[in-house]
Amino acid sequence: SQKIEQNSEALNIQEGKTATLTCNYTNYSPAYLQWYRQDPGRGPVFLLLIRENEKEKRKERLKVTFDTTLKQSLFHITASQPADSATYLCAIDNYGQNFVFGPGTRLSVLP
Amino acid sequence: NAGVMQNPRHLVRRRGQEARLRCSPMKGHSHVYWYRQLPEEGLKFMVYLQKENIIDESGMPKERFSAEFPKEGPSILRIQQVVRGDSAAYFCASSPPKTGGEGETQYFGPGTRLLVL
Repeated sequence: SQKIEQNSEALNIQEGKTATLTCNYTNYSPAYLQWYRQDPGRGPVFLLLIRENEKEKRKERLKVTFDTTLKQSLFHITASQPADSATYLCAIDNYGQNFVFGPGTRLSVLP
Repeated sequence: NAGVMQNPRHLVRRRGQEARLRCSPMKGHSHVYWYRQLPEEGLKFMVYLQKENIIDESGMPKERFSAEFPKEGPSILRIQQVVRGDSAAYFCASSPPKTGGEGETQYFGPGTRLLVL
């Protein structure tokens, strides 16, 4: 069966450390994968998109990797700050028709 | 340049009533997606529409739910005869035409929180 999983429901890290979030999928062949941030009571906000032929993408303190062999994406936030605390969602395209979202990982960056 | 707009932001209905949720996409965006999110759960795809066309409704419940995106006006998600299990946050997202590049990025609205009493 098809599924998309994110490593943990919640992740607590100390300010200044690197947060690493994992997204794994099964029985999909996405052409690209996206990461979104969602704050409580708000809609998701797009962060990064990485295509199947790209190994890594960076944007300021964010880095995403995409391994189509492992069927996994890693999302890193370096020098994390309390303002980075939010739920992070990965999403994959489903044969260009719609998007499938993971359950999310709630990140808490402790001062 | 206004973002995706949804209204109402909060909607309370009694069992058996109808709920109408509206979504105005960003200017220039011709694709609209509807998602449902239950507390502590991820977003579940419901339907993908372009103007006057339903492209993919594989996530829509077979009964009581319908969606449209008319030539003029907002997209509407309609839930007839609501039940308590329909209580959730409903998010709309829009994207520009899928000609590559930014076409894959979705811009989400603030959501409508539906509570069925």
